Amino acid sequence: EIVLTQSPGTLSLSPGERATLSCWASQSVSNNYLAWFQQSPGQAPRLLIHGASSRATGIPDRFSGSGSGTDFTLTISRLAPEDFAVYYCQYYGGSPFPFGPGTKVDIK
Amino acid sequence: EVQLLESGGGLVQPGGSLRLSCAASGFTFSSCAMIWVRQAPGRGLEFVSAINGVDGSIDYADSVKGRFTITTDSSSNTLYLQMNTLRAEDTAIYYCAKGTVRQGWDYWGQGTLLTVSS
Repeated sequence: EIVLTQSPGTLSLSPGERATLSCWASQSVSNNYLAWFQQSPGQAPRLLIHGASSRATGIPDRFSGSGSGTDFTLTISRLAPEDFAVYYCQYYGGSPFPFGPGTKVDIK
Repeated sequence: EVQLLESGGGLVQPGGSLRLSCAASGFTFSSCAMIWVRQAPGRGLEFVSAINGVDGSIDYADSVKGRFTITTDSSSNTLYLQMNTLRAEDTAIYYCAKGTVRQGWDYWGQGTLLTVSS
């Protein structure tokens, strides 16, 4: 069973800065079935990235995903005010579809 | 347009039962997988159960196995989660989502809150 770890737990940045979030898997992720979600307060999760690097429909190009195997990265090139939220990675290649513990991006 | 609308949450006593519903529209139910994910207050996202519309396979988290049952009604495009023997630790917002092998869980409902308390 794959276990996902995310780092850092909290990232304090200013609008316009670059955010780099990491996700590590305990074993290699098959077919790059790794997704990133954004969750704003009081909102449902929103799919940002699937297949480790493909943006979901309607996602701005300031969001990008990279990585393979066990190491994955979500980059937000220039933080917009609405990007301050919690970000989760998830392996969707099979049950139990684990989520990482999340990285909170807050305003410095 | 894909829409998912959960309902059925509420306050239940420990040991009680409840059924959650997720009304789906805008896609072909039988060609997708559906999932229930929950989020306890102030906590992260946790897989609960999933059902594959293509082959009918079903999975449960160990924490709910034997207590929760996931089903679908293709005639009404509705996903259900029957929850029995509820515990305080089942208190959470429950989200339904649709998914595909290629894109993962791509559309989510807004969630329904279950509170288990005496």
